[in-house]
Amino acid sequence: NAGVTQTPKFRVLKTGQSMTLLCAQDMNHEYMYWYRQDPGMGLRLIHYSVGEGTTAKGEVPDGYNVSRLKKQNFLLGLESAAPSQTSVYFCASNLAGGNTEAFFGQGTRLTVV
Amino acid sequence: TQLLEQSPQFLSIQEGENLTVYCNSSSVFSSLQWYRQEPGEGPVLLVTVVTGGEVKKLKRLTFQFGDARKDSSLHITAAQPGDTGLYLCAGALFRYNAGNMLTFGGGTRLMVKP
Repeated sequence: NAGVTQTPKFRVLKTGQSMTLLCAQDMNHEYMYWYRQDPGMGLRLIHYSVGEGTTAKGEVPDGYNVSRLKKQNFLLGLESAAPSQTSVYFCASNLAGGNTEAFFGQGTRLTVV
Repeated sequence: TQLLEQSPQFLSIQEGENLTVYCNSSSVFSSLQWYRQEPGEGPVLLVTVVTGGEVKKLKRLTFQFGDARKDSSLHITAAQPGDTGLYLCAGALFRYNAGNMLTFGGGTRLMVKP
C-alpha cells in the first residue's frame, strides 16, 4: 500500500521555467491538498480539492495552478518559477475533509535559481 | 499572519523535563489535529480532538481542545530524546462552496537533550 506518492523528490529550476509536481494516492480519498513548507512558517496551504474535477484556493495560491482530473491524482503546476517558490512541497490526502486523518507524501524539495 | 499561531517556535530541554506547546486562533474549528514531523518526512498524525474541552492522552502526551474550539495544547511529561521533532497543529475550517480545509500552525521545533 503506497499511500501518497509525490514525484519528483528533488528538482532545480531556473527562474522562468515551468514544471508540474505530481501527487498520487491509492486510498480512494476525496480530499487532496498541496502545501509548501518554509523554515519557521510551518505548512501553508496552496490549493486543495474536495473531489474529482474540483479545486479551491488556499492561503498562498499565487503563482501556482492545480488540476484534479482523476480522483487519485492532484497536480501542482508552476508556470513561471520564481526564487520565492524555493521550498519543500507536500501533498496530502484525507477521506472526508479536515476532520479525518491526513496522509502526507515525502515531499518535493524545489530550488529555483 | 497565520490562522493558527503556535508557541513556542523552538524549545530545547533536558531529558525528563515537562513541556507544553500551545496552538491558538481566533477562528472556531470543527476539529483540531496534532502531527509530528521527522526530518525529510511528511507529518504523521498523533491525535484528533473534536469536542470542546476534550482531553486525549497518548502515553506521555496529553492533548486538550479548548472549550470554545479555538485553541489547543500539547503537554509532554518526562520528555525523552525520541520526542525530538517538529510538532504541528492543524485545524479543520469549513468554507462555503469549498469544503473543509485543513490549515496548519507554524510548528514547534522540540529538541530533547539526553
